[in-house]
Amino acid sequence: SYDLTQPPSVSVSPGQTASISCSGDKLGDKYVCWYQQKPGQSPVLVIYQDLKRPSGIPERFSGSNSGDTATLTISRTQAMDEADYYCQAWDSSTAWVFGGGTKLTVL
Amino acid sequence: QVQLQESGPGLARPSETLSLSCTVSGHSINSDFSWGWIRQPPGKGLQWIGSISHSGSTYYNPSLKSRVTISVDTSKNEFSLRLSSVTAADTAVYYCARDGRGGDGFDIWGQGTVVTVSS
Repeated sequence: SYDLTQPPSVSVSPGQTASISCSGDKLGDKYVCWYQQKPGQSPVLVIYQDLKRPSGIPERFSGSNSGDTATLTISRTQAMDEADYYCQAWDSSTAWVFGGGTKLTVL
Repeated sequence: QVQLQESGPGLARPSETLSLSCTVSGHSINSDFSWGWIRQPPGKGLQWIGSISHSGSTYYNPSLKSRVTISVDTSKNEFSLRLSSVTAADTAVYYCARDGRGGDGFDIWGQGTVVTVSS
């Protein structure tokens, strides 16, 4: 099976930059997506194809993917960005795989 | 505007089969895209269950494959999930979502439905 590893939690001060990592074997060879999920809500796609933003997602959200690590970067972090974030990748043997999720705290 | 809505019983008995449907509005389910099911146990992360393409091809999470069936009813523009031999570990919020395949991810999600497995 293919596994994606995320840190359980990340903290950031308002206005600063938050970086959330997602690691997996040769992850750079796969497309990665990122989702934001706030309490009691459905996940929202914030990044697809490693670095593309869906319509309506602020430019503050960006993504990168190389080697074994993909990274979601949130610039000028706001209180409203506080949420759980999940990475996801497509693997030819196991299809869709989600990372375990990272709780972003803005304090 | 594409919308997805899950429906089905909120309670399933152990060893029985869980059945859910997802009604799609604003898009013909058999025109393009794939359609998937994802679940989230209480306090835990997301787990992809499986998806079905617009042409009816299915692909499942290997860890659940033996118990999962996903099908499409084009007359109702909906797709369905059946999960057999359920246990308490299958208690979760179940989401349906539009599956862009490859690198496009799940771009539209339903609101989710809670299913509890209990006797």
